[in-house]
Amino acid sequence: QSVLTQPPSASGTPGQRVTISCSGSSSNIGSNHVYWYQQLPGTAPTLLIYRNDQRPSGVPDRFSGSKSGTSASLAISGLRSEDEADYYCAAWDDSAGVFGTGTKVTVL
Amino acid sequence: QVQLVQSGAEVKKPGASVKVSCKASGYTFRRHAISWVRQAPGQGHEWMGRISPYNGDIKFAQKFQGRVTMTTDISTNTAYMELTSLRSDDTAVYYCARDHHPIAVADMYFDSWGQGTLVTVSS
Repeated sequence: QSVLTQPPSASGTPGQRVTISCSGSSSNIGSNHVYWYQQLPGTAPTLLIYRNDQRPSGVPDRFSGSKSGTSASLAISGLRSEDEADYYCAAWDDSAGVFGTGTKVTVL
Repeated sequence: QVQLVQSGAEVKKPGASVKVSCKASGYTFRRHAISWVRQAPGQGHEWMGRISPYNGDIKFAQKFQGRVTMTTDISTNTAYMELTSLRSDDTAVYYCARDHHPIAVADMYFDSWGQGTLVTVSS
């Protein structure tokens, strides 16, 4: 059902930079804001990035978002063990909200 | 601080209905719409719809039209989501989430989430 495509997994060692892509279309990412949510194991999602590239207060500046055309990206620099989680992009699409397929980030 | 506390887990038989509650605290309830999102086991998230306590506006994902009811009780700062004609593929964790906006706008800006309610549909 997801119309936003993410890689199923990404990994890195502590301190590395990891990038997660989110591919959509003109009806979602191409014309609306993108949001990123982090979901730690067994917990509810939390807002990580809003309006493409903005960080809520309390979110470390190691996390950054960008958007270009019909794709978006989340970058995690200086990877830490506590970053091990599932990450989802989200955007509005015509008449409903849609989420990405999700990316599991593993810290090696 | 903002808190959304949801009702407990439910087990339902196919064809039954379930009603999940979401009690808000720490903010002015009418100033933020409430969205409902579900996550089936091992699956991604699915936006179901949203309701604005401010003006009563409701918007559903087409997939759930006719099967879902969303309401709010201003007196108790509580939002409710009722899903009818349950099927096995409705088994999921159901989340309420606070919209950044007070009305039902076309956005996916959720700045606070409930802890989730597991609904299991099984005969």
